[in-house]
Amino acid sequence: QSVLTQPPSASGSPGQRVTISCSGSSSNIGSNFVYWYQQLPGAAPKLLIYRNDQRPSGVPDRFSGSKSGSAASLAISGLRSEDEADYFCSAWDDSLSGGVFGGGTKLTVL
Amino acid sequence: QVQLVESGGGVVQPGRSLRLSCIASGFTFSSYGMHWVRQAPGKGLEWVALLSFDESKTYYADSVKGRFTISRDIPKNTLTLHMNTLGPEDSAVYYCAKVALPAVKAPSLCGMDVWGQGTTVIVS
Repeated sequence: QSVLTQPPSASGSPGQRVTISCSGSSSNIGSNFVYWYQQLPGAAPKLLIYRNDQRPSGVPDRFSGSKSGSAASLAISGLRSEDEADYFCSAWDDSLSGGVFGGGTKLTVL
Repeated sequence: QVQLVESGGGVVQPGRSLRLSCIASGFTFSSYGMHWVRQAPGKGLEWVALLSFDESKTYYADSVKGRFTISRDIPKNTLTLHMNTLGPEDSAVYYCAKVALPAVKAPSLCGMDVWGQGTTVIVS
């Protein structure tokens, strides 16, 4: 059971917009920054979004992050086949004094 | 470019110890905190440990506290994870990851940017 809650799966057709949610609590998302990672099959995770809504250089602007209260979301617009991957949210948890991840969302491009 | 290369994984019997290494290059190693994160086969990511950039603070997941130790050797640009009393539940791919921002102590600012390719630990 992960501290942060994500839907196990999401899907969309090429060109569509998909949103992945990440729900936490006041001790993690509610009081700390949220990070999003993309993990392609067989590869290491890659940073997509940092500090809730910032994109590292090289990440397409099709990817965007937002946060409201104790929940965050990742939106992917103009869906492409290469976006098919697992997506994980993460934050620091002040009560646990440790990092926490969501269980991951497997995105399928139909 | 920034690169992290893990090594030291393998098959180990329950109750034994193992030491993982992560060699860093392409950035000033002493200026960044570092994490270890693991992923059991077919499962999600589990945060394991964080070492602050100045080595003044270490943080551990409850599942490894008292058994694992994170440390680094700056001249060798090497991050280490000493793992003791291993159990089957510790079987996973272990990744080292660099903190995105330099010289930050607040753990909430210690999100990861670059990850290594991982090293596999099997406890059996």
